[in-house]
Amino acid sequence: EVQLVQSGAEVKKPGESLKISCKGSGYSFTSYWIGWVRQMPGKGLEWMGIIYPGDSDTRYSPSFQGQVTISADKSISTAYLQWSSLKASDTAMYYCARLGGYSGPLDYWGQGTLVTVSS
Amino acid sequence: QSALTQPPSASGSPGQSVTISCTGTSSDVGGYNYVSWYQQHPGKAPKLMIYEVSKRPSGVPDRFSGSKSGNTASLTVSGLQAEDEADYYCSSYAGSNSHYVFGTGTKVTVL
Repeated sequence: EVQLVQSGAEVKKPGESLKISCKGSGYSFTSYWIGWVRQMPGKGLEWMGIIYPGDSDTRYSPSFQGQVTISADKSISTAYLQWSSLKASDTAMYYCARLGGYSGPLDYWGQGTLVTVSS
Repeated sequence: QSALTQPPSASGSPGQSVTISCTGTSSDVGGYNYVSWYQQHPGKAPKLMIYEVSKRPSGVPDRFSGSKSGNTASLTVSGLQAEDEADYYCSSYAGSNSHYVFGTGTKVTVL
């Protein structure tokens, strides 16, 4: 069974750093792209970027380029999303999802990680 | 890359049909047959309902169907059931630079 299990909720202060994770199982982790999606409170889905764990090829949405870093450790089948300096506007639910192919779709989703940034 | 345009809301009575539109451009919806639709219940992760315009993943009822004409894709839910009440998002591949774009989302209410 394909599963993506994300790390738990986080509460951080503005300016702090953060790295959240997404562990894949039940399939060949290195053979599928993983995407990250943001959902701000009460809002829609936003595409952040993707990574191919096989060779760490990474693509960012222009809206998120330079704002976050996507990485992966294929030895432990885990993808990451990290911030070096959080802002209150980063408060959101973040989902990882597997791409069924380079052009999508997002066929399996993690349960989401809620990130709250507040002073 | 701008979000794809969906109506904010749609509704229908049980047993009826509802159709949701998703309008993009020739750089996304119109340019590729890689349109997907996702269902999201409150507090839950999205679920893939339709991919490659009209294909259904295993386990998705055949009440859900998809189509595309030009720069507009559509999702039709036939024989509405109470459990179909949710938010629905379209998405499209948008080329190697932007890669992926989501729609603005539509809240479907079963009256």
